[in-house]
Amino acid sequence: EAGVAQSPRYKIIEKRQSVAFWCNPISGHATLYWYQQILGQGPKLLIQFQNNGVVDDSQLPKDRFSAERLKGVDSTLKIQPAKLEDSAVYLCASSLESREDTGELFFGEGSRLTVL
Amino acid sequence: AQRVTQPEKLLSVFKGAPVELKCNYSYSGSPELFWYVQYSRQRLQLLLRHISRESIKGFTADLNKGETSFHLKKPFAQEEDSAMYYCALRRSWGKLQFGAGTQVVVTP
Repeated sequence: EAGVAQSPRYKIIEKRQSVAFWCNPISGHATLYWYQQILGQGPKLLIQFQNNGVVDDSQLPKDRFSAERLKGVDSTLKIQPAKLEDSAVYLCASSLESREDTGELFFGEGSRLTVL
Repeated sequence: AQRVTQPEKLLSVFKGAPVELKCNYSYSGSPELFWYVQYSRQRLQLLLRHISRESIKGFTADLNKGETSFHLKKPFAQEEDSAMYYCALRRSWGKLQFGAGTQVVVTP
């Protein structure tokens, strides 16, 4: 089966510019996550969707980050305006949401953002 | 507050030697713990989960609630085990909290 797809793979922008990342989860996966992974750190959850509703966005810097999951499938994460400290890999992941949920998250390859 | 601690950033071992990656957690509820692995140029992927009590690629991990630990072990390391390993705690349905990771380098 196809895995989680993300684009773009790499993005370089200057501070105060905006950027958007796209994610297409595995077909049939109700739950979608965006994680931020700064160099040398583990992934940190930014936002979790179940279908098209937000389950948890407590770690999302809402003054500059936004995310949506229209129609409960694809998702977009936007940063506007970007800061230097936003340089990171943005990982999208998806999982089943069912009684058989094993807790396994399936990750995309990530989108590497460099803010200059 | 929930926390996942991996005290070693880098673990260098010789091929055939035992390897143990430490993971300690703090959580007031009943935890679900996982090990995820990222091989070079590959996606982050699940290695094993504590509820399965299984051995994957020769790795095992036992949840010790008394010591709040979930260390990952393998008796004989192989070169293909070189990767980044992340311990993760599932706080509630689906929300994984990751440790900082341990880079394992297996030298021949």
